Amino acid sequence: DTEVTQTPKHLVMGMTNKKSLKCEQHMGHRAMYWYKQKAKKPPELMFVYSYEKLSINESVPSRFSPECPNSSLLNLHLHALQPEDSALYLCASSQVLRAQRGYTFGSGTRLTVV
Amino acid sequence: QQQVKQSPQSLIVQKGGISIINCAYENTAFDYFPWYQQFPGKGPALLIAIRPDVSEKKEGRFTISFNKSAKQFSLHIMDSQPGDSATYFCAASKIQGAQKLVFGQGTRLTINP
Repeated sequence: DTEVTQTPKHLVMGMTNKKSLKCEQHMGHRAMYWYKQKAKKPPELMFVYSYEKLSINESVPSRFSPECPNSSLLNLHLHALQPEDSALYLCASSQVLRAQRGYTFGSGTRLTVV
Repeated sequence: QQQVKQSPQSLIVQKGGISIINCAYENTAFDYFPWYQQFPGKGPALLIAIRPDVSEKKEGRFTISFNKSAKQFSLHIMDSQPGDSATYFCAASKIQGAQKLVFGQGTRLTINP
């Protein structure tokens, strides 16, 4: 299995809603990432988990809350989002010790905040 | 120092031609330079990557050229095909550990039939 699976593919939520994005991989990768991508822009790193521990937080607002319950799963909990948070949210995974095989990205969750 | 600069922003190439995209980096600590291909509605997919100890790497129609002294690297797509039409991102990172990928701004490539 060489895939990163993200659910849901599309999500529309109101500014007062609470929702979660899910990411799963079975490649044995111990590093997992959340990226945010706006239209016609490159992905921007949000969070990095290494061995299920949060290792990098790129000063992301607290309305985004990541969680890594085990080595295969990564969640992003969303609460009180703003319309400007609408974007494609990408999950990725990689080996930790040597990332030379590259990050594997999922197809993303297209989030619209209304 | 974390920036990766990519050019051109957009590129139109005739079918069968050579597509060339260039990137420059600042941080000499970077030692892993991948290229990603992204189609609309999809996540980026790793195309090819290079380490700074080699000057060129070729995989099929895709070649990375790397100039360590100039801190530049480029992607060449030979015999470009309409199916290559996509957005291409160069990136840079350190290879050890769970590291941040620093992306270039992207190049929208269109191959005309």
